Amino acid sequence: DSGVTQTPKHLITATGQRVTLRCSPRSGDLSVYWYQQSLDQGLQFLIQYYNGEERAKGNILERFSAQQFPDLHSELNLSSLELGDSALYFCASSPSPVNTEAFFGQGTRLTVV
Amino acid sequence: GENVEQHPSTLSVQEGDSAVIKCTYSDSASNYFPWYKQELGKRPQLIIDIRSNVGEKKDQRIAVTLNKTAKHFSLHITETQPEDSAVYFCAANSNAGGTSYGKLTFGQGTILTVHP
Repeated sequence: DSGVTQTPKHLITATGQRVTLRCSPRSGDLSVYWYQQSLDQGLQFLIQYYNGEERAKGNILERFSAQQFPDLHSELNLSSLELGDSALYFCASSPSPVNTEAFFGQGTRLTVV
Repeated sequence: GENVEQHPSTLSVQEGDSAVIKCTYSDSASNYFPWYKQELGKRPQLIIDIRSNVGEKKDQRIAVTLNKTAKHFSLHITETQPEDSAVYFCAANSNAGGTSYGKLTFGQGTILTVHP
């Protein structure tokens, strides 16, 4: 167990819908990362927060947004869902945004039908 | 932004052989290079990491080397075992300013299969 909690574990929804994925980082970790892993794909960096502020951004679609709350948990919002958004979404956390190990949650498997 | 290339995409070895996976990165501001192992259906887990002030690091059967000048780093697994079979990802953590600060960019992964 990495100490990073993601909910839900599985999510099935229809095209056009909106979903929210939740991540609770390890106790004491201030930095949260979101990654998308599609079938046969690597880990695509979406966005990173540090202590409530956005710190780094990858190729995150405009339909996607995220935030980190004062209690340090983070949410990734995916809207106007398309079939191609079906993927495993990982959250990771680390104490610092640089030079430290990122601990991954178990992921949320999103299926868009 | 940072770009991490990883080779090979698949690697098949016999038990007891060595396995080498190579990565290159583009951002000279990157200074932390972790390697993750991901078993099927599970989360990535760190197996070893190296920082830019070190050229080599070893942990039992696993070692990582870093060449900052050439911007490449490699994972070496010796005496491979069937349980080493998994997908291995390299990554580079940027220390640059602006929107890249803290960005952890992964390579595309290497599927390692160790045959008994």
